[in-house]
Amino acid sequence: EVQLVESGGGLVQPGGSLRLSCAASGFTFSDHYMDWVRQAPGKGLEWVGRSRNKANSYTTKYAASVKGRFTISRDDSQNLLYLQMNSLKSEDTAVYYCARDHPYYSDVWGKGTTVIVSS
Amino acid sequence: DIQMTQSPSSLSASVGDRVSITCRASQDISNSLAWFQQKPGKAPKSLIYAASSLQSGVPSKFSGSGSATEFTLTISSLQPEDFATYYCQQYSTYPLTFGGGTKVEIK
Repeated sequence: EVQLVESGGGLVQPGGSLRLSCAASGFTFSDHYMDWVRQAPGKGLEWVGRSRNKANSYTTKYAASVKGRFTISRDDSQNLLYLQMNSLKSEDTAVYYCARDHPYYSDVWGKGTTVIVSS
Repeated sequence: DIQMTQSPSSLSASVGDRVSITCRASQDISNSLAWFQQKPGKAPKSLIYAASSLQSGVPSKFSGSGSATEFTLTISSLQPEDFATYYCQQYSTYPLTFGGGTKVEIK
């Protein structure tokens, strides 16, 4: 069964850092682009960024709202996707989802992990 | 950035109704459009990709159409499990962008 499980969410103070993880199983992780998407409370979906696969040099793309603060990385040997979030702001409060791309749209989503940025 | 505009933002419909949701792109995205369904407290679920291709396992009551800048998601006969919020997303150009969502409620 194809599965994505996010972890690492929690409460963090403004200006702080947090690293989210996404554990993938049931498919060849290294073949796929992977996305992070977030959803602020009561709001719509916002694409955060993408990690391309090894064949595309693991290049990354980001939304303007997080560029320079967030970094996406992956460990294909462990089937893990990461989102390093620095300089967190209150507006980063959201549920963060990881999603598998097939190849350019998200066909499988995790259940999400909640990040709350508050003092 | 490409702006995606969904209409209506909400609609009320009865079980058995045929409903359509429109998504307009601010520039030509060819057929690089996906539709997702999201129920409260749950992750989004992929319904349609490439504007009109049905995701594996999704019932055929869902259909998508359109190209370039105008797209439509149609549910042929609304069932209780279809009451949810629907989002379109363009994946033609970075940054990927979503529509604001359409909430389908029970009349």
